[in-house]
Amino acid sequence: EVQVVQSAAELKRPGQSLKISCEGSGFLFLDSWIAWVRQRPGEGLEWLGIIYAGDSDARYSPAFRGQVTMSVDASINTAYLHLDSLTTSDTAMYFCARRASNVAGTPFDSWGQGTRVTVSS
Amino acid sequence: DVQLTQSPSFLSASVGDRVTITCRASRDIDNFFAWYQQKPGKVPELLISAASTLQSGVPSRFSGRGSGTEFTLTITSLQPEDSATYYCQCLDSYILHFGAGTKVEIK
Repeated sequence: EVQVVQSAAELKRPGQSLKISCEGSGFLFLDSWIAWVRQRPGEGLEWLGIIYAGDSDARYSPAFRGQVTMSVDASINTAYLHLDSLTTSDTAMYFCARRASNVAGTPFDSWGQGTRVTVSS
Repeated sequence: DVQLTQSPSFLSASVGDRVTITCRASRDIDNFFAWYQQKPGKVPELLISAASTLQSGVPSRFSGRGSGTEFTLTITSLQPEDSATYYCQCLDSYILHFGAGTKVEIK
């Protein structure tokens, strides 16, 4: 069974950094693309970036470039999202989502349960 | 950069109604086009991939059509459990784009 499990909720102060994990199981992790998406309270879905687990090739949304870093530890089937210089506007639910391959049409079909991040002084 | 314009942003319909949500892209999209359903407090759920491929377990009242720059999601007979927000999504040159969402309310 394909599963994507994210790390627990975080409470941070403005200016701090954050690292969220996304662990996959039940599929070939090295062949996968992992996307990171956030959703602020009451708002829509925003794309932060995407990383290929096989070689850590990463692409970032221009809106988040410089604040966000993605990485992968393939030995433990885990992707990470690192956010720097947090502000209260980074308060959101953060999701990772898996794409099984780069074949045209392959969707992001398995999502993590979300990691709630609260940034507050 | 591709822009996805999703409409309407809100719709209210009765059980049994046929509803259609439209997503227009600012330029031609390859066949990576998907629709998601998200209920409050829940993870987005993939309904349709490759514009028209219904995912396993998704009721057949959901269907997707389109190509190029215009895509639609249709619910042929709206059910109470379809109350949710629906998002379109495309992947273009490794950049993921989402529509702004359509909130569907059951009258």
